[in-house]
Amino acid sequence: GQQLNQSPQSMFIQEGEDVSMNCTSSSIFNTWLWYKQDPGEGPVLLIALYKAGELTSNGRLTAQFGITRKDSFLNISASIPSDVGIYFCAGQFSGGSNYKLTFGKGTLLTVNP
Amino acid sequence: DVKVTQSSRYLVKRTGEKVFLECVQDMDHENMFWYRQDPGLGLRLIYFSYDVKMKEKGDIPEGYSVSREKKERFSLILESASTNQTSMYLCASRNRGGNTEAFFGQGTRLTVV
Repeated sequence: GQQLNQSPQSMFIQEGEDVSMNCTSSSIFNTWLWYKQDPGEGPVLLIALYKAGELTSNGRLTAQFGITRKDSFLNISASIPSDVGIYFCAGQFSGGSNYKLTFGKGTLLTVNP
Repeated sequence: DVKVTQSSRYLVKRTGEKVFLECVQDMDHENMFWYRQDPGLGLRLIYFSYDVKMKEKGDIPEGYSVSREKKERFSLILESASTNQTSMYLCASRNRGGNTEAFFGQGTRLTVV
């Protein structure tokens, strides 16, 4: 299937620091989604991006759909302990089935109080 | 709010047993998905369904089958459970159309002993 490279794999930060993670694809995507998964739970949608260049915020979270349509990043500002979890990017590539999303392998975020 | 409900949070089954994982969504979504999640491997698509009685193999269908007799319900079947099927299983649903987000259930942690 399509490949999504998500980095970093894991991050250990201090409370209050800003965080940045990103995803890149070898194919053009027309949708980027960012999810967060708390331990033992299913992923929950954080931000959805539908247009190249789109920059969207949700509280302390900001995500952008890259101009090339092959990448996206997620920033978290002023991290807090409850930001701990696994963050996944997901994309749907142009021209493919409109059923399937491709997921990155996730970024595990640990926040030290 | 969209609700995707998986019938069990935790299951323990014996090798060789036939296992049914059930998923129900309440938003009349056409598309439903089954993923498994393993450390370091992210979310891998097992099967998906784009309509009642319609199904397609995902990236790792071996050892699994699915059933979609009603639009709101998508079942994952392990014909003969094996220890390498111990995993977290996630169900998701998504509306038809190019730019829609997927909503996840809370996950089923399956242990095969």
